[in-house]
Amino acid sequence: LAKTTQPISMDSYEGQEVNITCSHNNIATNDYITWYQQFPSQGPRFIIQGYKTKVTNEVASLFIPADRKSSTLSLPRVSLSDTAVYYCLVGVFRVNNNNDMRFGAGTRLTVKP
Amino acid sequence: DAGITQSPRHKVTETGTPVTLRCHQTENHRYMYWYRQDPGHGLRLIHYSYGVKDTDKGEVSDGYSVSRSKTEDFLLTLESATSSQTSVYFCAISSSKTGGRTEAFFGQGTRLTVV
Repeated sequence: LAKTTQPISMDSYEGQEVNITCSHNNIATNDYITWYQQFPSQGPRFIIQGYKTKVTNEVASLFIPADRKSSTLSLPRVSLSDTAVYYCLVGVFRVNNNNDMRFGAGTRLTVKP
Repeated sequence: DAGITQSPRHKVTETGTPVTLRCHQTENHRYMYWYRQDPGHGLRLIHYSYGVKDTDKGEVSDGYSVSRSKTEDFLLTLESATSSQTSVYFCAISSSKTGGRTEAFFGQGTRLTVV
C-alpha cells in the first residue's frame, strides 16, 4: 500500500465543516483511496472510498484532485459525535493477492461545543 | 453490521502463559486480519490471512502466531504472553469488489492485560 501522511490532530467546533487532508505521493495508477472512522473503544468503520474527482455519501465527501497525490475528507456541519480518529488508506484490492491492509496513526478530530 | 465476533472481549493473564484470541465471521469473506492498538500507535497489523491455511506476517508479528483452518475462524495465539503484549486487539474481515474496491469490517475488540 502507498504510504500516507495525515495531520496528527485537528480541532473544530460544532456546526463547522471539517476537511482532513491525506498526502499519498506514491499512489499507483490502480489504487483506491479509503477512509475509516474510529470511535473510542470501537473498531474502525468504513466511511467512504473513491478513485478520482469527488465522491459523496450520507456521511462525508471525498475530494481527489487530478494528480491523485492527495485527498480530502470533508465532514459537513460536524457535531460532538464526530469526535473520532480518521484513517486514510491507499491501495487496490487484487483478487488472489495477499492484500495486507495497514493503517497509519490517523487524525484525531476533536469537536468542541 | 457485518457478522464478526471476537472472543473473549476481555482477558487478564499472567506473563508466560499462552493465550488464544478468536475471530469468527459469518460473512464468508476471504480476508481476515489481526491488529493491535496501543495509545499513540494507531492500528498495527499483526498477521493476516488470504484464505484457509494461507497467512502472512504484518508489521508487528514477533511473539504472535495465527491459524486459519476454516473460512470462518482466524485464531491469534500468544505463545508466551509478555507485558508488552497488553493491548486492544481488533479483528477485521474484507472481500474484494468489482474493480479492486473493498471495504473492511471490524470486530468490537479484545482487551488483553498481561500481568
